[in-house]
Amino acid sequence: EPEVTQTPSHQVTQMGQEVILRCVPISNHLYFYWYRQILGQKVEFLVSFYNNEISEKSEIFDDQFSVERPDGSNFTLKIRSTKLEDSAMYFCASRDTGGWGNEQFFGPGTRLTVL
Amino acid sequence: GESVGLHLPTLSVQEGDNSIINCAYSNSASDYFIWYKQESGKGPQFIIDIRSNMDKRQGQRVTVLLNKTVKHLSLQIAATQPGDSAVYFCAENRPRSDSSYKLIFGSGTRLLVRP
Repeated sequence: EPEVTQTPSHQVTQMGQEVILRCVPISNHLYFYWYRQILGQKVEFLVSFYNNEISEKSEIFDDQFSVERPDGSNFTLKIRSTKLEDSAMYFCASRDTGGWGNEQFFGPGTRLTVL
Repeated sequence: GESVGLHLPTLSVQEGDNSIINCAYSNSASDYFIWYKQESGKGPQFIIDIRSNMDKRQGQRVTVLLNKTVKHLSLQIAATQPGDSAVYFCAENRPRSDSSYKLIFGSGTRLLVRP
């Protein structure tokens, strides 16, 4: 069964450093998403991406964040200068246009720890 | 502001009993709802979904009920098993003109199954 994959599973970085979180969405999907989950809290929407551009972004997704689909398979989230409060699980999700519903399939997540 | 929330943060049930997890939402424009299960260290896993033009949908051992009048959603798990122990999130799907959507998650309910 196709699945969303994410790398790395855990990223440790120093405050102020840049990180790139990588995702490979399900191959025939067209909509891509990043969500964040701070430990013990709910999953929060960050950004949606469709047709090679951002569809919507939340207030969390400030100028320090960017997304890119550099090729036909990868979808990345870049944080330019990490802050302590960026420590969280980051989930990538993708969705097809068809199907009964609009289910988003989630990856296993990347745990980002900012020291 | 508009939000999706849960009534009970933790639910403990005896193995074999039925479980009911509740969720309230406030955005009447949401047209699609999903229940996700999240096990420790993993990404959200789809359980069941329902469109706003329905009031009930059944899956394998799970049933979702939607009451649009009071903006309430529930997940019923029949014959709860130890493997059902996890955090359960309801999510509402907010439509956009480009069909990109985004999921707004509730704060989650932890289900503990006692042997």
